[in-house]
Parts: sequence; C-alpha cells; structure tokens
Amino acid sequence: GAVVSQHPSWVICKSGTSVKIECRSLDFQATTMFWYRQFPKQSLMLMATSNEGSKATYEQGVEKDKFLINHASLTLSTLTVTSAHPEDSSFYICSAREPGPVRAQHFGDGTRLSIL
Amino acid sequence: AQRVTQPEKLLSVFKGAPVELKCNYSYSGSPELFWYVQYSRQRLQLLLRHISRESIKGFTADLNKGETSFHLKKPFAQEEDSAMYYCALSGQAAGNKLTFGGGTRVLVKP
Repeated sequence: GAVVSQHPSWVICKSGTSVKIECRSLDFQATTMFWYRQFPKQSLMLMATSNEGSKATYEQGVEKDKFLINHASLTLSTLTVTSAHPEDSSFYICSAREPGPVRAQHFGDGTRLSIL
Repeated sequence: AQRVTQPEKLLSVFKGAPVELKCNYSYSGSPELFWYVQYSRQRLQLLLRHISRESIKGFTADLNKGETSFHLKKPFAQEEDSAMYYCALSGQAAGNKLTFGGGTRVLVKP
C-alpha cells in the first residue's frame, strides 16, 4: 500500500531555532501533499497544501513566513518552522494524496516538536 | 463550507457487541467520504473509502446522501478495534482538501 515517510519523528530544540521536517511518498508520486497540526486530544487541523512546483496554499490564520513549505519533487515536501518558539510546540503530520480517481490521503507518522 | 461531525467522543462496548460510529457531513457537491483509524502509537491509516463499497476488518460504511451521513459499523467488535476513528470528507468544491471530524475513541472491553 501507499507509504508516507516523515522525518524526524521527534525534535527538541531551543527557542529561536529553525526546524525542518521532511515528508516523502515512498511508492507513489504525489503532486499534492498536506501539512497538519494536531493539538492534544484534538483532531487534525490543516495548515497548508503543498503543491509540487508551485507555491503552497496556506489556511487562514497560518503564517506563511513562519511555516515555510517547499515541494521540490513529486515525492518530497518539507516544512520548515522558522525561529520556533514554545507556542509552536505541537505534533505536525504530513500526508500525500495518491493518484487516481478518488484520491485518498496517506499519512506520515508525525513529528513531535518541542521548543524549550 | 464543508463540515464533518462525529457526535460521539467516546464509544465503549463489550467484545462481540455491535458498534456504530456516527458521522454526518455538510457539503455542496459530490463528496468523497473516508474513515481513518489511528491505533495507539501508530500513524493515521485509511480504513474505508465510500466509493470502494468494501468491508475492511469487518467494518462497513454506507454513504446516505439523503441523511448526509456516513456511519461506520461493525457487527461484532474485537478488542483490537480499540482506537481513534476519524471520519473525513473531501471534494473538488473545496479544493480537494480533507476535512476531519472531531474523532471518536472506541474502547472495546473484554
């Protein structure tokens, strides 16, 4: 089945650091990937849609300069949390949409980001 | 705007009992409906998609456009079904973005 790899799984760093998270579709090409944020005991909140070869589309209230997205190839999207602060601590999850007529999304394991 | 509602945050059933997770949606257009499951310490996994009309791990879900529902059912719950279940909706009218319900935690007791 479709597999999405997300790396790293856990990051702990100091305030002010920039953190890059990678999302790869391992056995299919994904022109569209998505980045979500999940707070404890809550559902996933879509942050942005990552489009291969073009700019990402951000959801309302998400700072595009804070959360930089690059989708340079059909199998890789990256999310960079710039100058991270404690309030950015969260669980970030990526997904990739499979090709085909009804294209389900397949999810990575998520990255737990802790900013000290 | 599209919306997905899962009215039950927690469902607790005994092993062997039937379980039904409710999902209602609002969407202007032809929706694509999915059920995702997240077992403890695992990633979110696709369980069912409405267009496939399949049964996975004994679960089925029928899209009822009249009632705008996509309830998930299993006649005999097993302990390994204990997990978090999310109903999700996608469609061209919303840029193919996936909208999740709040999730239902299922606990199957022995």
